[in-house]
Amino acid sequence: DAKTTQPNSMESNEEEPVHLPCNHSTISGTDYIHWYRQLPSQGPEYVIHGLTSNVNNRMASLAIAEDRKSSTLILHRATLRDAAVYYCIRHRDNYGQNFVFGPGTRLSVLP
Amino acid sequence: KAGVTQTPRYLIKTRGQQVTLSCSPISGHRSVSWYQQTPGQGLQFLFEYFSETQRNKGNFPGRFSGRQFSNSRSEMNVSTLELGDSALYLCASSLGIAGLATGELFFGEGSRLTVL
Repeated sequence: DAKTTQPNSMESNEEEPVHLPCNHSTISGTDYIHWYRQLPSQGPEYVIHGLTSNVNNRMASLAIAEDRKSSTLILHRATLRDAAVYYCIRHRDNYGQNFVFGPGTRLSVLP
Repeated sequence: KAGVTQTPRYLIKTRGQQVTLSCSPISGHRSVSWYQQTPGQGLQFLFEYFSETQRNKGNFPGRFSGRQFSNSRSEMNVSTLELGDSALYLCASSLGIAGLATGELFFGEGSRLTVL
């Protein structure tokens, strides 16, 4: 049970913003939303995480809905290197490293 | 600073054999976890160690085991290999046990196991 729902695939043009949605309608109050991505032939890589407020870092922004039942990962300007599988994970804080990964969204970036 | 190092990167075994995979976490990281990735099942959690103690275990048979040493390095072992054990085995480390609200997992590049 991945506990989150994401589109199987998305496509974007290079240098355009990308909005990757994630549905987590059964989220509980202590669950954080984590995003990881996996580039071809590499292990997953941390992107961003948050609890309630929107979050920004050098890689991306995370917009969390007010009811926390959904969130959106925003890549402000897609590059070819951003082509990867993006995983949205809800995970209870203080619950260790046992993340439940779903199938994720495969993002293709077109030149 | 060096990342998570996994060895070997690739290996081929035959059914019935056993295999040991090694993971060296980032210096200073005390939590290590293992994941199996296959095309059919995706990424699945195997187990997690902190300070040489197994903290969590996923839903895998007893043929899958692991341990952590005092220097935080970890090994996982799969005995009596089956064809379905062919997978990419990923190790991840993090700074501490106190949740991931302020931390992140750092993954290695994985060990790709092929069972013939």
